[in-house]
Amino acid sequence: NAGVTQTPKFRILKIGQSMTLQCTQDMNHNYMYWYRQDPGMGLKLIYYSVGAGITDKGEVPNGYNVSRSTTEDFPLRLELAAPSQTSVYFCASSRQGYTFGSGTRLTVV
Amino acid sequence: AQKITQTQPGMFVQEKEAVTLDCTYDTSDQSYGLFWYKQPSSGEMIFLIYQGSYDEQNATEGRYSLNFQKARKSANLVISASQLGDSAMYFCAMREGGRGSTLGRLYFGRGTQLTVWP
Repeated sequence: NAGVTQTPKFRILKIGQSMTLQCTQDMNHNYMYWYRQDPGMGLKLIYYSVGAGITDKGEVPNGYNVSRSTTEDFPLRLELAAPSQTSVYFCASSRQGYTFGSGTRLTVV
Repeated sequence: AQKITQTQPGMFVQEKEAVTLDCTYDTSDQSYGLFWYKQPSSGEMIFLIYQGSYDEQNATEGRYSLNFQKARKSANLVISASQLGDSAMYFCAMREGGRGSTLGRLYFGRGTQLTVWP
């Protein structure tokens, strides 16, 4: 049972590049989330989804997009990377408890 | 207003001693859940303990216990018999609504960096 799998673990992007952070879960959870964690800070919600085909914005959605075509997958898209998006990104899923992925450390230079 | 406040950026404790990490929360919901997570230097988020707002007993999980004071809106984590491996960042988080709530997001505090010394 893999839980929540995030790829890649590390990435360096140049300003203006685009990329997709992948997240997949095998627990058949309806709820999925993307958080970002800036240095010395707690996690802040970017986007969340309550089921396939349904997504909504969290606290800090600007510069990101998501899609949820299946229950398992919840990719996060960065269209035009900016230095302010340098952060650690966590994907999570929940039913009652929460399961977090291992994180993606993204640096934008 | 901050939903979750952790006022201790850093705490130090000697091995085998107990330590309390503070957390206060702000919500107008009657039903909510409080969580503590540990984040070691490797970066993963490890669930430690959960307290529901209607739970009458304070939650305990091994060496972890949650000192839940509803009237004061505090949910402090107590770690007994600290070990060197407890050195990590600790986050308090809250989910508003009950277990079945559609509002499933977690609000996190800024965290407390705990250092356990020999």
